[in-house]
Amino acid sequence: IAGITQAPTSQILAAGRRMTLRCTQDMRHNAMYWYRQDLGLGLRLIHYSNTAGTTGKGEVPDGYSVSRANTDDFPLTLASAVPSQTSVYFCASSDSDGAGSEQFFGPGTRLTVL
Amino acid sequence: AQSVTQPDIHITVSEGASLELRCNYSYGATPYLFWYVQSPGQGLQLLLKYFSGDTLVQGIKGFEAEFKRSQSSFNLRKPSVHWSDAAEYFCAVGALRGRNNNDMRFGAGTRLTVKP
Repeated sequence: IAGITQAPTSQILAAGRRMTLRCTQDMRHNAMYWYRQDLGLGLRLIHYSNTAGTTGKGEVPDGYSVSRANTDDFPLTLASAVPSQTSVYFCASSDSDGAGSEQFFGPGTRLTVL
Repeated sequence: AQSVTQPDIHITVSEGASLELRCNYSYGATPYLFWYVQSPGQGLQLLLKYFSGDTLVQGIKGFEAEFKRSQSSFNLRKPSVHWSDAAEYFCAVGALRGRNNNDMRFGAGTRLTVKP
């Protein structure tokens, strides 16, 4: 079934450790996104990529980095995790970077930083 | 930047009853508007979207939403709720036409509980 896969499903991480959340899509979508979901705040955009080779900062980019070496993969890295990065992380993609394009979401990664 | 308010954090309805989830947005012009649903432990799935034209939009699973410019609202409705509709519902507002899709803002969500 076509879609977005994320790994790991969940992770408990010690503060200060480095962590990479993986995201892969097989829909050949140009644009990809990383959101974090926190209770009472909805989803907030961390980073995005409109096409392979380009990335941009979203609403809450501090402490996170991304890369887009190819169309399918969009990993999110926490260089030195802090407890405030405890959240559920969703990767999404859309076939166009144009405003209003439907975004398709992965199942999420639940990250706990202790 | 645009913003979205979902006034109701949690709503409980009886199975078979009608449902209305409220959404108000703040933006300078008519934006793209979306409703997404998130089942427990799952990602978000698009229910419906509004771009222009008819202000009453039909979506999947029997949902509809009505865009009211004068009230800056985009409320989601369903005539008869099913137990499987229990989930978290998110309203989202996208950027103006001609801009990139990286400016979508989500509301905080409304959790729907369905009583038997």
